[in-house]
Amino acid sequence: SAVISQKPSRDICQRGTSLTIQCQVDSQVTMMFWYRQQPGQSLTLIATANQGSEATYESGFVIDKFPISRPNLTFSTLTVSNMSPEDSSIYLCSGYKGPFADTQYFGPGTRLTVL
Amino acid sequence: KNEVEQSPQNLTAQEGEFITINCSYSVGISALHWLQQHPGGGIVSLFMLSSGKKKHGRLIATINIQEKHSSLHITASHPRDSAVYICAAGLLQGAQKLVFGQGTRLTINP
Repeated sequence: SAVISQKPSRDICQRGTSLTIQCQVDSQVTMMFWYRQQPGQSLTLIATANQGSEATYESGFVIDKFPISRPNLTFSTLTVSNMSPEDSSIYLCSGYKGPFADTQYFGPGTRLTVL
Repeated sequence: KNEVEQSPQNLTAQEGEFITINCSYSVGISALHWLQQHPGGGIVSLFMLSSGKKKHGRLIATINIQEKHSSLHITASHPRDSAVYICAAGLLQGAQKLVFGQGTRLTINP
């Protein structure tokens, strides 16, 4: 199994600022992902965090807006840059132990409100 | 049309009732995930299945690959089961990347 923690759990930020969210796993995972859940919507994959190299972004998400780091197999950060109210969402990270793992582990989420 | 569709979107039931949530998908998958999201936002993975049926306590998940359909059942439902239940498809290409349904909000009244 794996336990994932995120910091901060919630934040209220001003338009135009940036926020970095940290994701820590208590054991090594092969893959880490970042998701966004906008109010009333389902989750959408932002990117796959690759250890030691640039993240792989999904369509509609770009590195300048959502820079991601993954320096090792247990830690990753997501930065939401130059925030606007449309960025108000829950941001979740997840870890996957693959290739024979039978589950994906999710963090508790970071609830971001941009004023 | 979404690649992963859930029904119903909302479900209210009395404690003790048998609950069924359905999920249909239109993409090729390597596995189908059932997740539970509580009001605070955190998500717990309930099941990951690629065939047949899995059971954990009062929860049962089934999948029919030919029909591209999965169901989540809750027996003897309890108010603590109240949450949003989400099915997610692990795609054939990049199996760990998930496409999510819109969720089913379940409320169990005492």
